[in-house]
Amino acid sequence: DQQVKQNSPSLSVQEGRISILNCDYTNSMFDYFLWYKKYPAEGPTFLISISSIKDKNEDGRFTVFLNKSAKHLSLHIVPSQPGDSAVYFCAASENYGGSQGNLIFGKGTKLSVKP
Amino acid sequence: GAGVSQTPSNKVTEKGKYVELRCDPISGHTALYWYRQSLGQGPEFLIYFQGTGAADDSGLPNDRFFAVRPEGSVSTLKIQRTERGDSAVYLCASSLQGNYGYTFGSGTRLTVV
Repeated sequence: DQQVKQNSPSLSVQEGRISILNCDYTNSMFDYFLWYKKYPAEGPTFLISISSIKDKNEDGRFTVFLNKSAKHLSLHIVPSQPGDSAVYFCAASENYGGSQGNLIFGKGTKLSVKP
Repeated sequence: GAGVSQTPSNKVTEKGKYVELRCDPISGHTALYWYRQSLGQGPEFLIYFQGTGAADDSGLPNDRFFAVRPEGSVSTLKIQRTERGDSAVYLCASSLQGNYGYTFGSGTRLTVV
């Protein structure tokens, strides 16, 4: 059973608008969450993260929101740009700040930003 | 080097053969990870090294898979008696002291025919 779920395989957004990518998780022991972005033929690139002690983390155009009671997080991109078109992976871990390497990834959401 | 380097970028092998996939992490990164990404799936954890030792190998699917990192830098993922189900992109990542903002390589696409 998948512990990290990204239920939308794809999302299409107009340039300049907000992109909202969603992620749900089932393991209440997860305490650290990350978003990665992946272009074709490249490895995933770390984008932004949040620990379970926070409900929001912002970095430029990217904001991640965490709702622990709902076991839900979302990534907001404002304003969206064509260069943001990529596959976005949500990932989670039980070992915030520790040296345990095991991240659990969702299946990804393909974002297309149209000019 | 500037990034995580993985070789080869593509590997086609026959069922039953042995393959080695190489990862050259960012210089100075003590933590190294192997993940596998099958079509339509997210990366799936295989093994994590801290220095020369495997700190967590719980993701290796079976004993056909083995990885080493003898000098604490370059790592090799070894797959014996390959099966068609092993076909995937094998991703390597490294980080400084095991923090989570990994840097991934571009991966090795393994195809078993």
